[in-house]
Amino acid sequence: GESVGLHLPTLSVQEGDNSIINCAYSNSASDYFIWYKQESGKGPQFIIDIRSNMDKRQGQRVTVLLNKTVKHLSLQIAATQPGDSAVYFCAERSGDGNEKLTFGTGTRLTIIP
Amino acid sequence: DGGITQSPKYLFRKEGQNVTLSCEQNLNHDAMYWYRQDPGQGLRLIYYSQIVNDFQKGDIAEGYSVSREKKESFPLTVTSAQKNPTAFYLCASSTARGAGEKLFFGSGTQLSVL
Repeated sequence: GESVGLHLPTLSVQEGDNSIINCAYSNSASDYFIWYKQESGKGPQFIIDIRSNMDKRQGQRVTVLLNKTVKHLSLQIAATQPGDSAVYFCAERSGDGNEKLTFGTGTRLTIIP
Repeated sequence: DGGITQSPKYLFRKEGQNVTLSCEQNLNHDAMYWYRQDPGQGLRLIYYSQIVNDFQKGDIAEGYSVSREKKESFPLTVTSAQKNPTAFYLCASSTARGAGEKLFFGSGTQLSVL
């Protein structure tokens, strides 16, 4: 079955530096990917999404890169701030008409002041 | 303000008891979802509904039940058959056109067993 996983469960970054959070997926037919940020005790918040016909998409201070050849997704956060500290999840949609997302286990990002 | 409201924020269940978690949205979204989150883990899909009066099982539906009588409401009942109900429960919604995309989440309900 499909799976979504993360290379690192925790990541610590100095405030002001850039951070990169990685995500591997196994279903080559997945057609849509999304990143969420979740703060403790709260629901996930949408960050950015990307379709499989793209390899890069940029938002405000965030960039998502999609490498379909190696089935790898990454989230880059520029000039990190203390408010960026949270757990980040990637999720994929299978692309077989099944309208649901499969989530990875998450990476905890800690910004060091 | 438009959004998704989950209640209560904290809920306690006694052995053998059924409990119902509320989820209401005023985003006019057609699709609604229930996810379960255990500590240090990702979200797992319990049930989802793409239209009123219709719903489908997700990956971990056993021990749970739902109804979708109104577009804006998708309550989840955790039945006594669910032997390990302690978890953080998240409700989400999306537009029909974007079903399975860009889910908007509520703030969650933490369910614990007494």
